[in-house]
Amino acid sequence: QSALAQPPSASGSPGQSVTISCTGTRSDVGGYNSVSWYQQHPGKAPKLIIFDVNKRPSGVPDRFAGSKSDNTASLTVSGLQAEDEADYYCSSYADGNNYNFVFGTGTKVTVL
Amino acid sequence: VQLVQSGAEVKTSGASVKISCVASGFYFISYHLHWVRQAPGQGLEWMGVMNPNGGSTGHAQKFQDRLTMTRDTSTRTFYMELNSLTSADTAVYYCARVLGTPDSPPRFWGQGTLVTVSP
Repeated sequence: QSALAQPPSASGSPGQSVTISCTGTRSDVGGYNSVSWYQQHPGKAPKLIIFDVNKRPSGVPDRFAGSKSDNTASLTVSGLQAEDEADYYCSSYADGNNYNFVFGTGTKVTVL
Repeated sequence: VQLVQSGAEVKTSGASVKISCVASGFYFISYHLHWVRQAPGQGLEWMGVMNPNGGSTGHAQKFQDRLTMTRDTSTRTFYMELNSLTSADTAVYYCARVLGTPDSPPRFWGQGTLVTVSP
């Protein structure tokens, strides 16, 4: 199973929006409504910020929004704040024996 | 919900490592548990998942022959054992409980266990 493709980096000024793409195939992103997004700060464990394409766990601000079209999912962070500077990873359930899960390659978001 | 992992390990090539993940704050057998690793400066890599209710597992094909996931319901502990280590296995290893249903994503994460493999 290949990793989902993400741009290595993205950036924006405080208050602006940034959108990150996550491209897979019909065997993962395109085949399931199970895309999730994680935020990871240096030296910390990942934090789930979006699940099932566009749902937010409790406590995650609505500045984070997810969407999907065909084999590509997207995460939009609106109203960028300094604390949003982090690595972001998409993930998806995928075809395979019994159970299969795949992460994206990761995107470093810089707040200018 | 809390997941507490065992401490850092240093191994030599060819050895095995076994990491524990003690769960608390939820009904142990009701939630699947994933293992994910992250090599230094690299991205997240999914390794496998366990259903604690019965012990069935699923794993990435890459680890098919080297990865063993087990659990001890009496001590609420999950274990991940990786055999035939090489320097490419140097990474932080995480256990992570799903959000809710078996096919939901990892939501609650352990603190991570650094495994260093020397040649």
